[in-house]
This record gives sequence, C-alpha cells and structure tokens, in this order.
Amino acid sequence: DQQVKQNSPSLSVQEGRISILNCDYTNSMFDYFLWYKKYPAEGPTFLISISSIKDKNEDGRFTVFLNKSAKHLSLHIVPSQPGDSAVYFCAAYRMDSNYQLIWGAGTKLIIKP
Amino acid sequence: DADVTQTPRNRITKTGKRIMLECSQTKGHDRMYWYRQDPGLGLRLIYYSFDVKDINKGEISDGYSVSRQAQAKFSLSLESAIPNQTALYFCATSVAGLNTDTQYFGPGTRLTVL
Repeated sequence: DQQVKQNSPSLSVQEGRISILNCDYTNSMFDYFLWYKKYPAEGPTFLISISSIKDKNEDGRFTVFLNKSAKHLSLHIVPSQPGDSAVYFCAAYRMDSNYQLIWGAGTKLIIKP
Repeated sequence: DADVTQTPRNRITKTGKRIMLECSQTKGHDRMYWYRQDPGLGLRLIYYSFDVKDINKGEISDGYSVSRQAQAKFSLSLESAIPNQTALYFCATSVAGLNTDTQYFGPGTRLTVL
C-alpha cells in the first residue's frame, strides 16, 4: 500500500514557465513533508520541506503548498530553468516513527528550451 | 570531497555470492541509513542506525544485514545475493533537528545480481 503517491511519472515544461509537481498521501498522521531532487548518477538532494502545521513554505523559486484536507501537496517552481531538469521525489515522515521517510516514486521533470 | 561516499559505485555479481557495500561520511552525523531504489518505485528503507550501538530494521530488511563500525561508517551486506536484489542502493546520513530530520545522500551503488 503506497502511502505517498506521485501519479505523474514525467512532466515537460517550457523554460521560464511554472512547473507544478504533485504528491498525494494517505496517512493523515504524517508530521513533515519533504521534496528531494535527483540528477542522474547522483543521490537525492534535499530541496524544501513543510511542516504539517503550515500550508505554504517558500524558498526562492521553490514553493511547497500543503492541503491537509485533500491530503495533497505540490511543489511549484517559478520560473523553470534548464538546471531544474531532474527527478523530484516527495517524501513524508511521522516523528513518532523515528523519522522514517516514506517516499513517492518520483516525477521526472524536463525543462524544454 | 564528497560528504557521503559509497563504494563500490557499480558491482556485478552472481547469485549466491556475499556482497558488502560500504558507506563513509565526513559530516559528523549520528544517523545513517541504507535505502534501495527500484525502477518505478520510490526509495525503500533497508536498515538505519541512530548511533554506533543502535541498529534498526527498515521496511525491507530481509536478505540484508548491516554493521556500524564507527560513527562515520555503515556497511550493508547481502549474505547470499539473489537477482531480485538488483537495484540502486543509497546510503544517507542525518542529524536530528527540532522536529526535522533532513537526510543527505551518497551517490549510490548500482548492484546487478546475475
């Protein structure tokens, strides 16, 4: 049973436009949500996170929105740049589970010039 | 130099062989993790360790064992490799903050079991 789902395996966006990556979850007890970015032949790198007590967190071009009633979060990248082409993973954890991260399958973002 | 290193980066082995994957970190973090990634799936936790004397099973520990030799070193062993253990393996480290636990990953080891 996948607790964290990223239903779009890939997404193609024009450079300069907004990229929106989506993530759904089933466990309402998650305390924290994170987005990681992964380039080929590298490990995932942390991008941005949001606590379950917030509905928005912003860091430069990256904003994460959390809708707890819908059990949905999204990552917005504005404006999209060629270097943003990567696989993006959504992950979540509960503090009472030793912070074990539960991961989505990832979405491959392709930024077209 | 990379903060989290994994050796080897690539390995091809045969069914039944014993394999060890090694992870070293210079970040000074207490917590270390081993994950595997399969095509179309997210990362799944194999084992994790919160300090040298603490080892915990993750979601998919069967067929694997680990050793935390020092704060900076965490190795993963496949006692008798089988083809469905072919995957990309990642080591990660973290240090617990206040209500957060950001993990930092090594570059991965691609393991193929024939």
